[in-house]
Amino acid sequence: AQTVTQSQPEMSVQEAETVTLSCTYDTSENNYYLFWYKQPPSRQMILVIRQEAYKQQNATENRFSVNFQKAAKSFSLKISDSQLGDTAMYFCAFIFKAAGNKLTFGGGTRVLVKP
Amino acid sequence: DVKVTQSSRYLVKRTGEKVFLECVQDMDHENMFWYRQDPGLGLRLIYFSYDVKMKEKGDIPEGYSVSREKKERFSLILESASTNQTSMYLCASSFQTATASGAFFGQGTRLTVV
Repeated sequence: AQTVTQSQPEMSVQEAETVTLSCTYDTSENNYYLFWYKQPPSRQMILVIRQEAYKQQNATENRFSVNFQKAAKSFSLKISDSQLGDTAMYFCAFIFKAAGNKLTFGGGTRVLVKP
Repeated sequence: DVKVTQSSRYLVKRTGEKVFLECVQDMDHENMFWYRQDPGLGLRLIYFSYDVKMKEKGDIPEGYSVSREKKERFSLILESASTNQTSMYLCASSFQTATASGAFFGQGTRLTVV
């Protein structure tokens, strides 16, 4: 079975500081994709960043970056220069073609950015 | 922009009622999904469909059914609503071959069964 674990239910960070969210997963597949999704209080889930498992280079999208450790099956998200608008639930997820492109999600981490 | 639209943001239904949650996407996606979101459990897949009239069970299909008569529309049906089905329901869609794109989500329906 494929599983995704987010061990931090809640985190808080001061505005302009950096926060790192952890995610570990378990799969026997070799070809898959990893994602971080953000769900603000308005509830529309949006994609923050993606990582292809066969790429060693860590993905970066503006203030968001990942630390992908394939051997350790770890996929953490770093939010730099945190802004108030980053307050949201963050979900780690992965997908692989053999499963029909179904996303498997972790339990989520609630991030609160304090002014 | 991709749009996935769920028919209601909030619903209150009585125990035993038949409930329909509707989802429409405008990007010609082959795949459509229904997830249930509960605190601490993340999103759990109820059903998904990879083509018109095709469906597969997800991780928690009990008590639910789905219908996909048109490519753009995917309905989740609670045959006889129960209080343990009170939850947030999220619809999503994606291209079948575009694994790297992930999925696009609707705004969610908060269902309360009383």
